[in-house]
Amino acid sequence: DTGVSQDPRHKITKRGQNVTFRCDPISEHNRLYWYRQTLGQGPEFLTYFQNEAQLEKSRLLSDRFSAERPKGSFSTLEIQRTEQGDSAMYLCASSLEGGFYNSPLHFGNGTRLTVT
Amino acid sequence: RKEVEQDPGPFNVPEGATVAFNCTYSNSASQSFFWYRQDCRKEPKLLMSVYSSGNEDGRFTAQLNRASQYISLLIRDSKLSDSATYLCVVNDRAGGTSYGKLTFGQGTILTVHP
Repeated sequence: DTGVSQDPRHKITKRGQNVTFRCDPISEHNRLYWYRQTLGQGPEFLTYFQNEAQLEKSRLLSDRFSAERPKGSFSTLEIQRTEQGDSAMYLCASSLEGGFYNSPLHFGNGTRLTVT
Repeated sequence: RKEVEQDPGPFNVPEGATVAFNCTYSNSASQSFFWYRQDCRKEPKLLMSVYSSGNEDGRFTAQLNRASQYISLLIRDSKLSDSATYLCVVNDRAGGTSYGKLTFGQGTILTVHP
C-alpha cells in the first residue's frame, strides 16, 4: 500500500504529557499537511510543508504544537503539555505541488488522541 | 466571516432524489476548489475537483460561481451509499504569501433513506 500512513492509530495520554505522531506521505508527494478534526467539524488546518520547509502555520496553533519534516519525507507532530482540549483526530495528508493550482489532498487514516 | 461556510444540514432525502449543497468562501483570490466525502470515523476522500466551467462525474455535478464566491455540488438519483458528510475545500493563505493552505468547510451531512 503506497498511501499516506500515520502512526499510532490511537493514543491515550494523561494531561500534561507530551505526545508525538508520525506521518509518512505518498513517496512522490512534496507537500505534507496536518489537520485536526473534532466531532461535527470539518478538518481544521494546522500547518503544511513543501519539501522540508514549513510554509504555513495556523494562528490557532499554540507554541505547544510543533511539526517537523527534516528530510522532506516523513513528518512528526509533537504536542507538549497536552490538555483535554487537544483530544481530536489528527489527520495527515500529502499532495503534489501543482504550481498555481493545488493538487488534491490524500489523507491518512488519522491518529485519534484522547487526553484524560 | 468564516473562510469557508457550509450548511451543516442534515439533509434527509429518499433514494432517487436530487439534492444540492452550496459552499461559500471569503477569499476572492482563491483558485482551487474541491469536494470531499467523509464517512463516519473515516478520513476524507476526494469526490471531485471543481473547475471554472463546471464539471460532471456520473451522478455528481460541481459548479463554481466566482462572482458570488460559492461552489455547489449536485447529486442526482441519490443512493443509500451516498449517505456521508460532504466537505467543500478551498485554497487560501494562512498569513504567508503562498496559497498552499487548503481550508475545509464544516461539512454537510447527507442521509439517504429507502
